[in-house]
Amino acid sequence: EAEVAQSPRYKITEKSQAVAFWCDPISGHATLYWYRQILGQGPELLVQFQDESVVDDSQLPKDRFSAERLKGVDSTLKIQPAELGDSAMYLCASSLRENTEAFFGQGTRLTVV
Amino acid sequence: AQSVTQLGSHVSVSEGALVLLRCNYSSSVPPYLFWYVQYPNQGLQLLLKYTTGATLVKGINGFEAEFKKSETSFHLTKPSAHMSDAAEYFCAVSGSMNTGFQKLVFGTGTRLLVSP
Repeated sequence: EAEVAQSPRYKITEKSQAVAFWCDPISGHATLYWYRQILGQGPELLVQFQDESVVDDSQLPKDRFSAERLKGVDSTLKIQPAELGDSAMYLCASSLRENTEAFFGQGTRLTVV
Repeated sequence: AQSVTQLGSHVSVSEGALVLLRCNYSSSVPPYLFWYVQYPNQGLQLLLKYTTGATLVKGINGFEAEFKKSETSFHLTKPSAHMSDAAEYFCAVSGSMNTGFQKLVFGTGTRLLVSP
């Protein structure tokens, strides 16, 4: 069964350091999402791609976060510099196209110390 | 703009009892609605979805939900809880196929606790 792959599963980093997460969506899925989930809360959309184009990044803290999906396939989310408040689960998801069900990866648990 | 309200951050039931998790949505366009389940330190797994057609939708693990437009609700039910149902449940809303781009927006979640 096709899955969304994310790496790493866990990451501990010191504040002010740079950190990057990688996501490989299900093959053929045009829409890719990055969500942040703070413990005890629902996922919050950071950025949504349609193929290689960003369609929504209104909640992405652009002074420190960046995301790219250069060839419209896999994607990288970067934080530089990391802050203590960035500690959260970062979830990647993909869907065949917008407004269809999203399939989630296992997530990356980030702890900033 | 889309939004979802899940009533009750925690719901406790006994094994074998009815499960009812509440979700109300707000949408300016015809919505698509989803329920996801999340186990600790895992991603989200789709339980069921409503897009068009039948308003009572059946999902995996014996769960079902009914879309009630007049009440703007999409409550999740299961007739008999099992210990393995203990998890966090999220309701989500997006636009429908012809509404153009709409965010997939999640509620704050309901933790289901199942006691023996």
